[in-house]
Amino acid sequence: AQSVSQHNHHVILSEAASLELGCNYSYGGTVNLFWYVQYPGQHLQLLLKYFSGDPLVKGIKGFEAEFIKSKFSFNLRKPSVQWSDTAEYFCAVPTFGIKAAGNKLTFGGGTRVLVKP
Amino acid sequence: EAGVAQSPRYKIIEKRQSVAFWCNPISGHATLYWYQQILGQGPKLLIQFQNNGVVDDSQLPKDRFSAERLKGVDSTLKIQPAKLEDSAVYLCASSLGAAPSQETQYFGPGTRLLVL
Repeated sequence: AQSVSQHNHHVILSEAASLELGCNYSYGGTVNLFWYVQYPGQHLQLLLKYFSGDPLVKGIKGFEAEFIKSKFSFNLRKPSVQWSDTAEYFCAVPTFGIKAAGNKLTFGGGTRVLVKP
Repeated sequence: EAGVAQSPRYKIIEKRQSVAFWCNPISGHATLYWYQQILGQGPKLLIQFQNNGVVDDSQLPKDRFSAERLKGVDSTLKIQPAKLEDSAVYLCASSLGAAPSQETQYFGPGTRLLVL
């Protein structure tokens, strides 16, 4: 079964600092990869996703993620964070069923990011 | 467009009582998901419907949890009887197509359940 590891449970940083959140998964086949974000008081929402092609994926709000197949990683980055980036970030990777409809997402445990103004 | 709606937003019950949660997905979305999110953990899929059929319920504790999606639209998730360890946020999500490994999932606000 697929497993997803997010190494940092909590990250605290100041505005303008750079952010990198780690995500590693266990299944080595072709994968689609997702980062979801939950801002305080809001719903969980998609931040970015990778399906194929350029391993560097751009998302909303200046976020990007790099897929490194050899390392089973999909790390999230932002060069300069803002106070509004305070949120919880989840990496998600599909677990494949017998049929495509049976595929499902496995989420990591999440990383809480606090950006100090 | 309207998002995924869930009710109630909060529920407090005593152990061994029953509880039900309701979800209304985005109109036209074929796939509906129920997740359980325990404090400090990521969402864990409980059950996944495509239209009104179940495609995955492997992680649903079927001795106490049940779910249905009538007419391929709204869904209810029930717990009977509840245990202390069921305290969690129950998230409903939906996606447009039938390929969950590729689709963007749209989440509702969740129902926060506390079992005393």
